[in-house]
Amino acid sequence: TQLLEQSPQFLSIQEGENLTVYCNSSSVFSSLQWYRQEPGEGPVLLVTVVTGGEVKKLKRLTFQFGDARKDSSLHITAAQPGDTGLYLCAGASGAGSYQLTFGKGTKLSVIP
Amino acid sequence: KAGVTQTPRYLIKTRGQQVTLSCSPISGHRSVSWYQQTPGQGLQFLFEYFSETQRNKGNFPGRFSGRQFSNSRSEMNVSTLELGDSALYLCASSLNPTGLNTEAFFGQGTRLTVV
Repeated sequence: TQLLEQSPQFLSIQEGENLTVYCNSSSVFSSLQWYRQEPGEGPVLLVTVVTGGEVKKLKRLTFQFGDARKDSSLHITAAQPGDTGLYLCAGASGAGSYQLTFGKGTKLSVIP
Repeated sequence: KAGVTQTPRYLIKTRGQQVTLSCSPISGHRSVSWYQQTPGQGLQFLFEYFSETQRNKGNFPGRFSGRQFSNSRSEMNVSTLELGDSALYLCASSLNPTGLNTEAFFGQGTRLTVV
């Protein structure tokens, strides 16, 4: 069974601070996605990383895929209240069938 | 381009009843997956359909079933509902997930409460 461990589980920070969320596994994934979810809504895709060592930037968000494709991180620079939400990482397990394994999420609160 | 549409948004059912949830994927997407989200377990994979065939199934009892129609719309059914089935049920659609880049787009979910 593939598992994704996310840390921290909860994070409360002041506006303007930086933060990093981690997503770790003992399994190799063919790709890894990061989502953000608001209460009562479905997850919204932020980014997909595919290649080991890949770094992608989305405005103030930086995503990194580990060299061995087992772990990933999300770094937010100068967090804003609009960044508040549940951040989820999800690993895809290869071709032929589509199944995402999700971490339990990091609940981020950015205080003005 | 319309997103993934799930109906209904909210449902309240009694223990022992059955329920059917519906999902219309993004136009042109042929893969539909279903997930259950609870506070304790997070998002857990239920099953995935592609071209009306179930390709993969998660570790859920046989009370959970689904199907996909020729227009790619999908339904999932839960029979003999239990209190523990209360959850947000999410549907995700994908274009044709083969190879490395597999992106899923989620609907808003159906909040099921079993009383």
